[in-house]
Amino acid sequence: DARVTQTPRHKVTEMGQEVTMRCQPILGHNTVFWYRQTMMQGLELLAYFRNRAPLDDSGMPKDRFSAEMPDATLATLKIQPSEPRDSAVYFCASGPDRGTSPLHFGNGTRLTVT
Amino acid sequence: QQQVKQSPQSLIVQKGGISIINCAYENTAFDYFPWYQQFPGKGPALLIAIRPDVSEKKEGRFTISFNKSAKQFSLHIMDSQPGDSATYFCAASGWAGGTSYGKLTFGQGTILTVHP
Repeated sequence: DARVTQTPRHKVTEMGQEVTMRCQPILGHNTVFWYRQTMMQGLELLAYFRNRAPLDDSGMPKDRFSAEMPDATLATLKIQPSEPRDSAVYFCASGPDRGTSPLHFGNGTRLTVT
Repeated sequence: QQQVKQSPQSLIVQKGGISIINCAYENTAFDYFPWYQQFPGKGPALLIAIRPDVSEKKEGRFTISFNKSAKQFSLHIMDSQPGDSATYFCAASGWAGGTSYGKLTFGQGTILTVHP
């Protein structure tokens, strides 16, 4: 059963540290999304890629967040420097980008910044 | 104009009862309306979805009702079971401008508890 894999599952770090979250999309999926979930804001889109090219990162704080796809099997979301307000669950999702084909979410990285 | 408003925030239903969750949207460019189910510690998983060319879609115990003129859609869970206890999110997206249907705007979520 193909699934989106995210690492690490949990990350606790101190304010000012760099955080890197990784995602392995489902093989053959050419769109990859990063969503953030918080109690206050719910699920928000941060960025997404099609065929490894960034299409929209308007949901990301540009000064500290960056998202890349070094290859088709790896997407990364980096926060530098991290702040307590970045504490959230970060989800990666992938899809085949064929019409309304379902989006498949990973189980997230729970980030706590102290 | 990008908002999707979901209600109620929480819902308690007895086993066998009907759970109803409502959503309203503003952006008329939206033309894909999925519902996602999320269990603690897991990512959201697609439950059922509808396009605006139909007013209702049913899959097993789950039904989406869609009212295009009112810009509202709802999820009905018939014969609710304790295993249905989860958080449910409505969402909306559209293909306008060549974007992806995966670019979802989510509602705030409804925590459903089904008592045995």
